[in-house]
Amino acid sequence: DVKVTQSSRYLVKRTGEKVFLECVQDMDHENMFWYRQDPGLGLRLIYFSYDVKMKEKGDIPEGYSVSREKKERFSLILESASTNQTSMYLCASSYYRVGVPLHFGNGTRLTVT
Amino acid sequence: AQSVTQLDSQVPVFEEAPVELRCNYSSSVSVYLFWYVQYPNQGLQLLLKYLSGSTLVKGINGFEAEFNKSQTSFHLRKPSVHISDTAEYFCAVSDRTDSSYKLIFGSGTRLLVRP
Repeated sequence: DVKVTQSSRYLVKRTGEKVFLECVQDMDHENMFWYRQDPGLGLRLIYFSYDVKMKEKGDIPEGYSVSREKKERFSLILESASTNQTSMYLCASSYYRVGVPLHFGNGTRLTVT
Repeated sequence: AQSVTQLDSQVPVFEEAPVELRCNYSSSVSVYLFWYVQYPNQGLQLLLKYLSGSTLVKGINGFEAEFNKSQTSFHLRKPSVHISDTAEYFCAVSDRTDSSYKLIFGSGTRLLVRP
């Protein structure tokens, strides 16, 4: 079974802090994604990566950056956390092929106070 | 840009009744379509997908969906729901011409099954 592991289930951070959300997958997937989930808005794509050291902006990249130094790990960075970044963050991975499904982690619920 | 509309934010239904969750997507270009389910405090799991071929797709847990190209719809159905089907359901689309293979998600429909 594919396993996508997000390092924290819950995080509480203060405004202005630099925040790192970590995601690791064990299936040698090329693609990795970071989504943000908010009530009534569904999932919105923040960033994705289809190879090591490659990254592409999604629909809402402002205030975020990412890092992919190894194929299995994809990190989401909040350079200076703000209260409007309080949300559920979901990591996903997939093979680099058409029509393949995404495999999701269990999410990190981030609260910025 | 592709978008997905799930008109119903919440669907209450009694146990053993049939249910349909609606999904419409914006563009008529060739697409791949997916339904995911999210149980409380978990990530999303794939229910079913449409890539090509038969327009009626069967998934896990007795769910099925029908692809209708002319109406740009991909509605999810189950003939008899159980309490354990209570969850949030997301429709997603991937544009075949988009080489990034990313998914665009709808806003979700919360299915609430009552005894």
